[in-house]
Amino acid sequence: DIQMTQSPSSLSASIGDRVTITCQASQDISNHLNWYQQKPGKAPNLLIYDASNLEIGVPSRFSGSGSGTDFTFTISSLQPEDIATYFCQQDDNLPYTFGQGTRLEIK
Amino acid sequence: VHLVESGGGLVEPGRSLRLSCAASGFIFDDYTVHWVRQGPGKGLEWVSGVSWNGGALGSADSVRGRFTISRDNAKNSLYLEMNSLRAEDTALYYCAKNRVPAAHSSGFDYWGQGTLVTVSS
Repeated sequence: DIQMTQSPSSLSASIGDRVTITCQASQDISNHLNWYQQKPGKAPNLLIYDASNLEIGVPSRFSGSGSGTDFTFTISSLQPEDIATYFCQQDDNLPYTFGQGTRLEIK
Repeated sequence: VHLVESGGGLVEPGRSLRLSCAASGFIFDDYTVHWVRQGPGKGLEWVSGVSWNGGALGSADSVRGRFTISRDNAKNSLYLEMNSLRAEDTALYYCAKNRVPAAHSSGFDYWGQGTLVTVSS
C-alpha cells in the first residue's frame, strides 16, 4: 500500500498568514493527489484534485502543487473560516490512502 | 446531490451489520462510489469502493475478507456488509461519490454525513 506522510500534524498561524502543508507519497503517484478540508462534526470537503486543480466553488486562496512523490498545499492568506483539519489522499493505486491530517489553528 | 447513510448502531464483537447509502441528485449509475471511515478522534480511512458498473475496487487491508461492498443501481443505493466486526471497526462511516463519471477516482466531491458504528460488548 502507498503510505502518505503529511506534515506538520498541527499548525498554529495568524489571520493573513501564508500556510503550507506538505504530503509525501511512498512511491510515485504522478498527480493523483487530492486535498480535503474537514471542519469539526462535518464531512470532508474536496478542495483540490489532481494535485493542483481547484474544485468548483473553492476560494482561490487555496492552491496545490507537486507531482511524483512530493506535494504542497497552500493557503495564501489564512481566514478565520479556514480553521479545520486538512487531509491529502492518493488515488493512484488501490487501496486509496489518506495522510494522517494537519490540524490548523489560529494563533 | 444527497448521500444519506443508515444502518449504523451498537453491535457486539464478532457480529454483523449492513450499512446503506441512499443517493439522489445525480445519475447514480454513472459514478464510482466509496465507503470511507473515521475512528473517534482519528483520520480518514478508505474502506472500499465500487465502480459505476458494479465492479468492486477492492478494500483496505484492515477489512479485506470481512467487509463486502455492493450497489443496486435500480435503487440508487450503496451497501456495505460488515462481518466479524472488531472493536477497531468502531467509526463514523461515510459514503462518498467520485468527482467524475466513469472513472475509479479523481477526488470525492460529495459525502454523506455518516453513520456511526460502535463495536463493543
